[in-house]
Amino acid sequence: AQKVTQAQTEISVVEKEDVTLDCVYETRDTTYYLFWYKQPPSGELVFLIRRNSFDEQNEISGRYSWNFQKSTSSFNFTITASQVVDSAVYFCALSEANNNDMRFGAGTRLTVKP
Amino acid sequence: EAEVAQSPRYKITEKSQAVAFWCDPISGHATLYWYRQILGQGPELLVQFQDESVVDDSQLPKDRFSAERLKGVDSTLKIQPAELGDSAMYLCASSPARLAAMFHEQYFGPGTRLTVT
Repeated sequence: AQKVTQAQTEISVVEKEDVTLDCVYETRDTTYYLFWYKQPPSGELVFLIRRNSFDEQNEISGRYSWNFQKSTSSFNFTITASQVVDSAVYFCALSEANNNDMRFGAGTRLTVKP
Repeated sequence: EAEVAQSPRYKITEKSQAVAFWCDPISGHATLYWYRQILGQGPELLVQFQDESVVDDSQLPKDRFSAERLKGVDSTLKIQPAELGDSAMYLCASSPARLAAMFHEQYFGPGTRLTVT
């Protein structure tokens, strides 16, 4: 069965620090997608990125970057020069080709202090 | 910008009572999802619709939960009777995708926070 582990329950940083959120996944499928979502205090999850299992190219979007490594089954998320508005719970999620389900990790609560 | 609407935002009910949540997805989105998110955990899929048809309800506790999307637009999730363990956030999401919808980004509503006393 698919499984997503976010070992960091809570992280606290000071504004302008860089921070990396870890995500480790388990799957037996060769075709799958990985996602990151942000959940601010308002409650709705906001899509950040999607990556398929055949594309290991890292991606950068502004202050956000993602490092996908199949060899270690990890899909880590880095925020550079963090800001107070980055404070939220961040979820990593996995969807497999043979399983109609999106499995979320338990989330990492990031607090950025001014 | 189009959004997924949910109501109510908060609901307090006594156990054994019936409760219902409503979701209006983004216009034109074929696929609609209901998730349950227990405090401190990630969302768990309850049911997935494509248009008015149920694609997957294997995780829906059918003895007490029901969901419908009669006209393939808005949807209602009902719990009857509610139990203490049902206290959670109930999230609705939609996607324009039809094929392999789970491989596409989902747009989430703000959720309904249910407290069962």
